[in-house]
Amino acid sequence: DTGVSQNPRHKITKRGQNVTFRCDPISEHNRLYWYRQTLGQGPEFLTYFQNEAQLEKSRLLSDRFSAERPKGSFSTLEIQRTEQGDSAMYLCASSLGRGYNEQFFGPGTRLTVL
Amino acid sequence: GENVEQHPSTLSVQEGDSAVIKCTYSDSASNYFPWYKQELGKRPQLIIDIRSNVGEKKDQRIAVTLNKTAKHFSLHITETQPEDSAVYFCAASPPVDSSYKLIFGSGTRLLVRP
Repeated sequence: DTGVSQNPRHKITKRGQNVTFRCDPISEHNRLYWYRQTLGQGPEFLTYFQNEAQLEKSRLLSDRFSAERPKGSFSTLEIQRTEQGDSAMYLCASSLGRGYNEQFFGPGTRLTVL
Repeated sequence: GENVEQHPSTLSVQEGDSAVIKCTYSDSASNYFPWYKQELGKRPQLIIDIRSNVGEKKDQRIAVTLNKTAKHFSLHITETQPEDSAVYFCAASPPVDSSYKLIFGSGTRLLVRP
């Protein structure tokens, strides 16, 4: 499968715990995005990487959230001290650089915070 | 920042009829308007997109129209089939910081009755 992959697909955690998600984009894509989607809503932009550089972060992204893309390939999203309000589907997308190009989404990681 | 509104939130049509979903956006500088289809439990997938230098684009049974003056765009699906049943999201991409992030509408749940 050469599409965007995400792991794990599901994560259940207790409030206050830290969680980390991984995204593997399509190999030649230099742009990588993280979005969050709650039930009945459209995806909300969280952060953007061009290669290894994190160039934009949404105001939605509190300081408990951190994302990395260390070698410009896979990316990780970590949430520290999880809260029940963090429960959502976390989607990763990637696209080719240069102008407006299709963003290809991964299957998402569904986080449930108890 | 950019804000996208989408209507209706639910739409039920008879198989073979047409379906129209409408979106408005707030940032007149937005240049790219994709539409994504999301089936239950699956990732969003691009079905059609339009750039601001084009007023209409068609791909088989699907068409999108864009009115930049009024800042609205619409998705038209003709000869609907049961497999068209899904949630459809419109999005706009504001040219801020060259991230090409997507700002999504809240989605339209389309049900095609056989």
